[in-house]
Amino acid sequence: NAGVTQTPKFQVLKTGQSMTLQCAQDMNHEYMSWYRQDPGMGLRLIHYSVGAGITDQGEVPNGYNVSRSTTEDFPLRLLSAAPSQTSVYFCASSYSTWGLGQKRFFGPGTRLTVL
Amino acid sequence: AQTVTQSQPEMSVQEAETVTLSCTYDTSESNYYLFWYKQPPSRQMILVIRQEAYKQQNATENRFSVNFQKAAKSFSLKISDSQLGDTAMYFCAFQTGNQFYFGTGTSLTVIP
Repeated sequence: NAGVTQTPKFQVLKTGQSMTLQCAQDMNHEYMSWYRQDPGMGLRLIHYSVGAGITDQGEVPNGYNVSRSTTEDFPLRLLSAAPSQTSVYFCASSYSTWGLGQKRFFGPGTRLTVL
Repeated sequence: AQTVTQSQPEMSVQEAETVTLSCTYDTSESNYYLFWYKQPPSRQMILVIRQEAYKQQNATENRFSVNFQKAAKSFSLKISDSQLGDTAMYFCAFQTGNQFYFGTGTSLTVIP
């Protein structure tokens, strides 16, 4: 198994540009989620999904869109990038539909810089 | 709102010694899970240990153990026989339902 994969590893955007961060897992996990990690702030949940076709907001959803058309993929879209979105982004998945208590597998992260 | 507080931004320990990292949380929920994650310089997030709130027994995983004090909302991590590979950022995390909250992390350095 490849586990949780994220692409790209690094990205530089200009303010106002759009892009999609890709996340895929090959473990047939129901629960997938996106976090951002900023210096001194730990990880914060952006959006999550409990299965194909079902998504919901986390703690910091503004400026980001997600969709879940397949079990394997959970892309994160930035419609109009802002410097405040400069961060490291992590995707994570777990087996349980409700995610409670199940081990989360994290991707390697994407470092995004918005100029 | 749920909050997770790690009051020790940085800590160091001599190799083979024991160190305890502190974590407190605030919630009105009765059913939740607590976790400690390790993030080495590679940036990969690695689950160290987890605790179910309804279990009174403290979780242990080899050299890692927790002291879970539910009434005090405290969840500290003890690392015994510290090894150089334990050098990393350690994050305390809280989960209720589908929401997940992390503390700001403690940077641990193991000194040879």
